[in-house]
Amino acid sequence: AQSVSQHNHHVILSEAASLELGCNYSYGGTVNLFWYVQYPGQHLQLLLKYFSGDPLVKGIKGFEAEFIKSKFSFNLRKPSVQWSDTAEYFCAVNGGGYNKLIFGAGTRLAVHP
Amino acid sequence: GAVVSQHPSRVICKSGTSVKIECRSLDFQATTMFWYRQFPKQSLMLMATSNEGSKATYEQGVEKDKFLINHASLTLSTLTVTSAHPEDSSFYICSARDPSKGQSYEQYFGPGTRLTVT
Repeated sequence: AQSVSQHNHHVILSEAASLELGCNYSYGGTVNLFWYVQYPGQHLQLLLKYFSGDPLVKGIKGFEAEFIKSKFSFNLRKPSVQWSDTAEYFCAVNGGGYNKLIFGAGTRLAVHP
Repeated sequence: GAVVSQHPSRVICKSGTSVKIECRSLDFQATTMFWYRQFPKQSLMLMATSNEGSKATYEQGVEKDKFLINHASLTLSTLTVTSAHPEDSSFYICSARDPSKGQSYEQYFGPGTRLTVT
């Protein structure tokens, strides 16, 4: 069965600090990988996704993620966070040709000005 | 584009009653929609996959007779919580795939419905 593990449940940063959120998945076949963000009071939005090709994926709002197949990882990064990045971040995986997404537990990011 | 709406955004019902939640794809036709449940400070748990014109596929542990799903059109799926109990109180989120995007497994999420059963 597929599963997704997010290591950091709660992260607190100051503005301009760099961010890296860990995501590991368990599935041996071809996977599609996603990072979604949920801002306070808003619905889930797609930050970025990986299907194939360049393992370094760039998304919206300056976020990027790197797919490392050998480590089953898809970590999210941003070089300099802003207060407006305060949100909850979810990593998700889809594999085996199935429709459904499996979500990680989420990481709550708080950025202090 | 790819907007998904849910109605209502919040609902309070009494124990033993049923409540219906609607999920609509506003600017695309969704052959597949998904229903999730999100507990406070936890992740999304997939409840079922709703396929237009056919029966929903429920995840293990989800009672199909309690959570009735109907996907009668390409833009509407409904989730009915029957004989609701306080433990059914939760945040219910739907999502939809846009088949015009080919093999993209990206899902577009609705804003969610907060159900409180008293």
